[in-house]
Amino acid sequence: EAGVAQSPRYKIIEKRQSVAFWCNPISGHATLYWYQQILGQGPKLLIQFQNNGVVDDSQLPKDRFSAERLKGVDSTLKIQPAKLEDSAVYLCASSLGVGAGTDTQYFGPGTRLTVL
Amino acid sequence: DAKTTQPNSMESNEEEPVHLPCNHSTISGTDYIHWYRQLPSQGPEYVIHGLTSNVNNRMASLAIAEDRKSSTLILHRATLRDAAVYYCIRGVGNEKLTFGTGTRLTIIP
Repeated sequence: EAGVAQSPRYKIIEKRQSVAFWCNPISGHATLYWYQQILGQGPKLLIQFQNNGVVDDSQLPKDRFSAERLKGVDSTLKIQPAKLEDSAVYLCASSLGVGAGTDTQYFGPGTRLTVL
Repeated sequence: DAKTTQPNSMESNEEEPVHLPCNHSTISGTDYIHWYRQLPSQGPEYVIHGLTSNVNNRMASLAIAEDRKSSTLILHRATLRDAAVYYCIRGVGNEKLTFGTGTRLTIIP
């Protein structure tokens, strides 16, 4: 079974530039998550989709971050414009969607973003 | 408060059992306990989860205290590949999983 795919794996940009990350979840998984992981911390949920609808985006900095999930499958996360503090690993995860309290999440390898 | 409490770090010798503790004193009756681990430069991976009874799978065992205020993840025979950060997380209804900083496990050859 193919896992969660993410690209690119690494990205270096200057502050105020834009960047986009792509995620392809496991086939059949209804729920898709984007996390931000700053060095030395645990992952922090940015946004959660159920099919192509947003379930939780309470921690997404909406003035600069946006995300969409096309046709309930692939997803993109965009940062525009980037700030130095956005340097982090961006993780995508997916799950069947039977309930957040019991669902098993499967994570991709992440995209390491460095903002200079 | 959906937080759990774990030691920041632990060490164990290779080929010995490892017991990783987690306190969740405010847990309610329907909250699951999830364990994930994160190997260096990788995304987190699921290890095990449970509600009340002890659980076993090919990776580990989960021992849940009778009052459910604490649990222990047991790796029966640690290998160098088990060196990772281990996260203990409460699954509260349909709320999102909240990752803390976890326990960094070091395996000594």
